[in-house]
Amino acid sequence: TQLLEQSPQFLSIQEGENLTVYCNSSSVFSSLQWYRQEPGEGPVLLVTVVTGGEVKKLKRLTFQFGDARKDSSLHITAAQPGDTGLYLCAGGRNAGNMLTFGGGTRLMVKP
Amino acid sequence: NAGVTQTPKFRILKIGQSMTLQCTQDMNHNYMYWYRQDPGMGLKLIYYSVGAGITDKGEVPNGYNVSRSTTEDFPLRLELAAPSQTSVYFCASSVSPAISPLHFGNGTRLTVT
Repeated sequence: TQLLEQSPQFLSIQEGENLTVYCNSSSVFSSLQWYRQEPGEGPVLLVTVVTGGEVKKLKRLTFQFGDARKDSSLHITAAQPGDTGLYLCAGGRNAGNMLTFGGGTRLMVKP
Repeated sequence: NAGVTQTPKFRILKIGQSMTLQCTQDMNHNYMYWYRQDPGMGLKLIYYSVGAGITDKGEVPNGYNVSRSTTEDFPLRLELAAPSQTSVYFCASSVSPAISPLHFGNGTRLTVT
């Protein structure tokens, strides 16, 4: 059983479409990180959110941390083929605990 | 800037063989981690280290061992390879757990047949 559930698991869309992926848990996290992983490479950090209700923007990507710090979402506007990859969320409980990763959302953006 | 370097990139082992996956980082990070990633799945923590001389088990430690004799190096040892250990292995490092970003290597793809 995943402590962090990501949905959808797979998403295939056309270039220019918008999409949202979700990261949900029944547990409270002190921080939530989002990573993107491309084939043959390790994950790379996109953003860290730490405050309930926090919204962060990274160009066409918008990240939100739920008010109760149990969930997070990633919204991509006008997706491009370069957005293709595996998106992973990872939650931290407190300063001494290790990160817990979700199962990932595999995104394919077709030109 | 090398970051986290893993070797080898690919390896095929026969059942029962042993091998060591190498990991080194040049960022002077205290925390280092080993994860495995099965096809289409997220990352599961195998072992981690909070500093030289200190290691601890993660979520899936069975069948693996680690050591941390220096800040830079964190090798992962498989003693008796089993098909269930077929996976992609990632080493990572960070300044601290939970809040700081993890810096990952590019992975080692291991197949056990």
